[in-house]
Amino acid sequence: GAGVSQSPSNKVTEKGKDVELRCDPISGHTALYWYRQSLGQGLEFLIYFQGNSAPDKSGLPSDRFSAERTGGSVSTLTIQRTQQEDSAVYLCASSLFGGSNTGELFFGEGSRLTVL
Amino acid sequence: QQQVKQSPQSLIVQKGGISIINCAYENTAFDYFPWYQQFPGKGPALLIAIRPDVSEKKEGRFTISFNKSAKQFSLHIMDSQPGDSATYFCAASRGSRLTFGEGTQLTVNP
Repeated sequence: GAGVSQSPSNKVTEKGKDVELRCDPISGHTALYWYRQSLGQGLEFLIYFQGNSAPDKSGLPSDRFSAERTGGSVSTLTIQRTQQEDSAVYLCASSLFGGSNTGELFFGEGSRLTVL
Repeated sequence: QQQVKQSPQSLIVQKGGISIINCAYENTAFDYFPWYQQFPGKGPALLIAIRPDVSEKKEGRFTISFNKSAKQFSLHIMDSQPGDSATYFCAASRGSRLTFGEGTQLTVNP
C-alpha cells in the first residue's frame, strides 16, 4: 500500500519485557515522527527523524525508550523493561519534508501496546 | 509555552447543525495550525490547516477561524452529518514538531 505501515497492530506483553514497534513510512518521505496516544488523550510527541538522524528526541519519556531509523526509511521504536504506564497506542507519521516546511503528516493506524 | 488547549472535550450535535471546536495556544512562534480527524482504530488524518497570515480558511463544510491577537483558532463544521462523528484534534507547530490539543469527540445524531 501507499500509506504508512506499522507493525504489530497489537502487542500484549508482560511487565519488564522489551518490545519493538516498527514503522514503514511513505516512500520518499524524509521526515518521520513517533507519537503516543493514551486512552482518551491527545497525541504526545516522542521523537522526530530527518533522514536517519533525530534532531528532536526530547519527547522520549525515559531512557527505556529509544528509536532508530535506517536507510532513510524504516524506523523502530524500542521500549525496554516495559511498565504498565507504557500501555498506549504508538503512532508513526511521515511527511515529505521536515524542518520549517513540515506540512501534512500522514499517520499509520498505530501499534496498540498493552503491558500486563 | 508548548501547550495547545482544546475545548470542549465532547460535543453532541444534531444532523444539519453546526459543530464548533475551539483551541487556544500560548507560543506566539507557532506558524502552522492544522486540524486532524480521527476515526476509531485509525490514525489521524489532516482535515484542514491555516497559517497565521489569514483569518479564515474554508474547505467545503469545514472552516477554520483564526484570531492571532487572542491566540485562538476554531473549527466550524457546517451542516454536520453522522459521518462526521469522530475525534478532532487541533495542533500547532513551528518547525518540525506538531503539538496537539487533547481532542474533541464529536457525535452527530441522525
